[in-house]
Amino acid sequence: AQSVTQLGSHVSVSEGALVLLRCNYSSSVPPYLFWYVQYPNQGLQLLLKYTSAATLVKGINGFEAEFKKSETSFHLTKPSAHMSDAAEYFCAVRVNAGGTSYGKLTFGQGTILTVHP
Amino acid sequence: NAGVTQTPKFQVLKTGQSMTLQCAQDMNHNSMYWYRQDPGMGLRLIYYSASEGTTDKGEVPNGYNVSRLNKREFSLRLESAAPSQTSVYFCASSGSSPLHFGNGTRLTVT
Repeated sequence: AQSVTQLGSHVSVSEGALVLLRCNYSSSVPPYLFWYVQYPNQGLQLLLKYTSAATLVKGINGFEAEFKKSETSFHLTKPSAHMSDAAEYFCAVRVNAGGTSYGKLTFGQGTILTVHP
Repeated sequence: NAGVTQTPKFQVLKTGQSMTLQCAQDMNHNSMYWYRQDPGMGLRLIYYSASEGTTDKGEVPNGYNVSRLNKREFSLRLESAAPSQTSVYFCASSGSSPLHFGNGTRLTVT
């Protein structure tokens, strides 16, 4: 069965500093991996996805993630944090191995990112 | 704007009461999902509907029922609410693209 683990429930950075949010996955088949962001009182928005093409994936708002099979990781990074990046971030892995269904996702526990002035 | 619409936004129930959470999408997606979000646990899948006319259990289906009314609408019913069902509920849909989420229903059961 697929699973994801997000290391660190809270991450705090200064504005302009590097953002690194960690995600490790477990999957018996080649995974599809996702990062979502949730702003207060809103639903989740897709930041980026990995679907077995390029291992370095660029997303919205300057975020990117690198798929490393040897480390079973899919960490999210942004070179320079902005105050507007403060939110909760979720890593997710697709459960079913075939077809085009993207929806049966297993989510990590979430990481709350705080950005200090 | 196109998207996923959930109603109501907030609800307070007493233990044992019933209610239905409504969800509609206007993106012509085949698949729809109900997730619940609890602090420190991420989102967990309750039920999903891969296509109109089909529904299947997810990770945490106990205490819930669903109806895929048509391609647009997917409702979640709590027949006898329990305090353990206090949560934020998200409906989502997908076609050949990743999940689109609604803004959630915050449910409190006292």
